[in-house]
Amino acid sequence: DGGITQSPKYLFRKEGQNVTLSCEQNLNHDAMYWYRQDPGQGLRLIYYSQIVNDFQKGDIAEGYSVSREKKESFPLTVTSAQKNPTAFYLCASSKFPDRTPVTGELFFGEGSRLTVL
Amino acid sequence: GQNIDQPTEMTATEGAIVQINCTYQTSGFNGLFWYQQHAGEAPTFLSYNVLDGLEEKGRFSSFLSRSKGYSYLLLKELQMKDSASYLCAVRRNYGQNFVFGPGTRLSVLP
Repeated sequence: DGGITQSPKYLFRKEGQNVTLSCEQNLNHDAMYWYRQDPGQGLRLIYYSQIVNDFQKGDIAEGYSVSREKKESFPLTVTSAQKNPTAFYLCASSKFPDRTPVTGELFFGEGSRLTVL
Repeated sequence: GQNIDQPTEMTATEGAIVQINCTYQTSGFNGLFWYQQHAGEAPTFLSYNVLDGLEEKGRFSSFLSRSKGYSYLLLKELQMKDSASYLCAVRRNYGQNFVFGPGTRLSVLP
């Protein structure tokens, strides 16, 4: 079955450590995204990528880094520069809506919950 | 700037109808999406509007007025399992870039 796989589901980190969250999709989607969700808040865009070897900063990119070496994979590194990294991280992908009836909606992974101790 | 507003919380009774409103002001518009998110889970796609009017999908309908920057999600014959957060999202027209509202937490009571 096609889908998006995020790992790990839960992650604990000490202050000052970098951590990498994995995101893999087998939907053959062009675009991939990372969102952060905090309690009571909407999803905020960290980074997105429309093609391999290219990515764009979202609204809250500071303290994060990404790579897109393969179409299927879009890992997110939360660096020690991110001041408040405890959050629920969601990876998503979508097809470009260049042909109807493709709507290009986002498909989400199950999420990774990061806690900084 | 980008701004999407939704009510924070709503409560309704099982079997009733509820309307969740969303207003938006974004730089560019290429579609409005509604997602459902149960607590601790990933959002799932519910509906999509890009032209003005009503889209119906079973118990769920979504309406869009682009001139007013307004959409609503209508849920009919509410069931307990509809208790969730409902997220309104706008796709901006440069690239595949989505911006989300804060979400509306709906509680369905027996």
